[in-house]
Parts: sequence; structure tokens; C-alpha cells
Amino acid sequence: DAGITQSPRHKVTETGTPVTLRCHQTENHRYMYWYRQDPGHGLRLIHYSYGVKDTDKGEVSDGYSVSRSKTEDFLLTLESATSSQTSVYFCASNGDRAQGYTFGSGTRLTVV
Amino acid sequence: QKEVEQNSGPLSVPEGAIASLNCTYSDRGSQSFFWYRQYSGKSPELIMSIYSNGDKEDGRFTAQLNKASQYVSLLIRDSQPSDSATYLCAVNTFDGQNFVFGPGTRLSVLP
Repeated sequence: DAGITQSPRHKVTETGTPVTLRCHQTENHRYMYWYRQDPGHGLRLIHYSYGVKDTDKGEVSDGYSVSRSKTEDFLLTLESATSSQTSVYFCASNGDRAQGYTFGSGTRLTVV
Repeated sequence: QKEVEQNSGPLSVPEGAIASLNCTYSDRGSQSFFWYRQYSGKSPELIMSIYSNGDKEDGRFTAQLNKASQYVSLLIRDSQPSDSATYLCAVNTFDGQNFVFGPGTRLSVLP
């Protein structure tokens, strides 16, 4: 079984609608992250969490919010989707900040 | 602005050759360094970590770190077509909160 799963894998949504992406991990990792990956920009950090109900902003957090009510789940919400948020979104986790990440399979989001 | 830089490539090497991938970073306080491999349409996969100056070998992969020069590299010996992928360098921030990724180097190993 995959240690970290994302849902949905693909989504097409309309501009202005709210969208929630889900990340679920079974590794009991304390730290979880949301990144977006775009051509020419690489992976950029949106938000991260260092424990249940403890979250902080990353480099590109405008227009996004997150919630972590359980260790295993980390939700990313686009409050009002825009075309600039069309991207591939990756969730990642680690048990220690000095460790490398385990990544989920990604969610390809298209905003039309 | 914390930055991690890599040549975007593509870097093309013949099968069996050594592929050398380079990464420079700007934050002198960084302590943890990672290399990820990402196949097209897939998620990044951790392949190497290095924390101390010098070389670290794992199979066909060798990571090299020089903190004084703010430089980390990845050597792939006996390159195979299956090594064709984008290689991402990641460096932790000085405060240790998270990692900054480079844009990646696309490697193509030609049969």
C-alpha cells in the first residue's frame, strides 16, 4: 500500500469555484507539505504542517488554505480557483525535518 | 531569497557513461541535501541524501557535497536508459522548516 495518497488524481474545475485536494498518509509522519509544480518554476511550497492544527505558509500561499485535523490527513483548499492555479499539486511528508520527503502521486488540476 | 540552481539540460550521455549533475545553493546555513529522481508524469522519488562534506556512495550513485563552495553534485555511473529522468536537488532552509527545490536537470541516456 502507498504510504501517502492524494485524491483526486485529476480534476477540472471552473474559475471561481472552491476546490479541495486531499492528502492521506499512513506513515504517522508529523510533517506534511503541499507543493505545486509548474514548468519553469519547479516545486514551490504552498503550505506545510508541523502537527495537528499547526500549519504555516510557504512561498506561494496566496489563494490557498489548509487544514490538518488528524495526523494522517492534510487538506488543501483553493478558495476561489483561478486559471493561474492550474498546476500539478504534490503532497509530501516526513517524520523528521532533516529527512527527505515521501511524495504522493500528485493531483493534476485544471481551472477553466 | 533562498535559491537552488541547476542546469535545466537536457544532459545527454551515452549508455554506460558517467552522468554528472550539479546543484548550487545560496543559503550558507543549509545542512541537509537531497537528490530526487522524477520520471515524466510521476512524483519525485528520493534517491540520495547527504549531510557532511565529501562523497557518499550508494550503488551506482555518488553524492558529493562541498559546503564551502555551496555545491552539491550527483554522479551516476554506468548510466542506463532507465536513468533518463529529471533530477531535482533539494536543500533545507537555514531554519530547518522545509526544503527548497531546484528546477531540475533533465537527463537523457542514449542507448
